Formats: sequence, structure tokens, C-alpha cells
Amino acid sequence: RKEVEQDPGPFNVPEGATVAFNCTYSNSASQSFFWYRQDCRKEPKLLMSVYSSGNEDGRFTAQLNRASQYISLLIRDSKLSDSATYLCVVNQAGTALIFGKGTTLSVSS
Amino acid sequence: NAGVTQTPKFRVLKTGQSMTLLCAQDMNHEYMYWYRQDPGMGLRLIHYSVGEGTTAKGEVPDGYNVSRLKKQNFLLGLESAAPSQTSVYFCASSYVRLTYEQYFGPGTRLTVT
Repeated sequence: RKEVEQDPGPFNVPEGATVAFNCTYSNSASQSFFWYRQDCRKEPKLLMSVYSSGNEDGRFTAQLNRASQYISLLIRDSKLSDSATYLCVVNQAGTALIFGKGTTLSVSS
Repeated sequence: NAGVTQTPKFRVLKTGQSMTLLCAQDMNHEYMYWYRQDPGMGLRLIHYSVGEGTTAKGEVPDGYNVSRLKKQNFLLGLESAAPSQTSVYFCASSYVRLTYEQYFGPGTRLTVT
């Protein structure tokens, strides 16, 4: 089983739609969780950290379920500019970040 | 601030040639990393450094060497390039490895023929 698994997509949605991405991780000792965004042929950038209590940043909501080892990202009211690849990232104590392969989102008008 | 910069942006090598990729950061970060990104494989850690003069192996270190002689610079070397090293290489840095955001450079696209 891979350490961080994501549905690669692509997810094709119209503007204004709500879309959710899921991610599972295999190591129960994982401590920190993030979503990064990567535009085509660009570098990854931090979108948001994921906290146990869940957190929201504008149209983006991240959830963590430690019991199920599951992370989610919800995007409401999708914009054309949200088109990108979303990387689920997990960190374990004493190790570097582990990146998922990413989920591709395409928002169309 | 420039953040994290990488040189060169593009390079084509012949099999067996050598080259060095340079990463520089002006954020006074202690930690620096080299990743490679291949289609369908995601980002994989090659080597990393937790401070000036220190380096450590990541997930895919074979065929690469690194050096961190100055805090702001992290060099990635390919001594004898192979077609399997065709990839996009990203450098990143962070204040603290375990929980902090990593800042990435724009990447180097390397093709080995």
C-alpha cells in the first residue's frame, strides 16, 4: 500500500460547482497534514494545513479523520483559477514530507 | 526577496555527462531539499540538508550527490547522467522540517538523451 494515496482524477467541473478530494495515508504515526497546489509546469505551493478540528480558508475546507487515516479538501463555488493539481502531503515524526501523486481539477465555464 | 531560485531552468545532457544544479534561498531557512517529479510518480525526495555542512539521503538518492557548503545554497550533482534521470527537479527550503511549510523553487527541466 502506498503511503499517501489520492484519486488522480481528472475532476472536470463547471464554474460554481462544489468538488471534494480525498486522500488516505498508511502510517498511523503521521503527525502533520497539508494540501499543496501545483499549477501546470509550476512549483507546488502550500494551500493549507489540515488540523484535527478541521479548518476553513474562504472557499476551501480541509478535514482530517485520524481514525480512518483520511484527509479531505472541499472547494466550494469553483473558479476557473482553481484549475490545478492538488497534492495531499503527510509528515511523520523524524521524516520529511511525503507527497501524494496529486488530483487534477479542471474547472470550465 | 527572491525566495528560492534554481539554475539552470532547462538543460539537455548526453548520457554520461555531468552537471550541477544550483539552488539558492534568501529566507535564512535551515532546511533544504531536492526532489524529482516524474509523470505518474509524484514528488520524490532525493537528498536533504538540515543545516550548513550536513546532508542526508532521501527516497531516491542513487546517482546523485549533494553539498551544502553555505546555508543559502544547496547543490545537486549528477556525475554520470542516465536517461532515467530525465525529470523535473525541484529544490525547496523550510524553517523547520517537521511541520512547517516548504517553499519551492521554479524547477529545472532536465533531459538526458
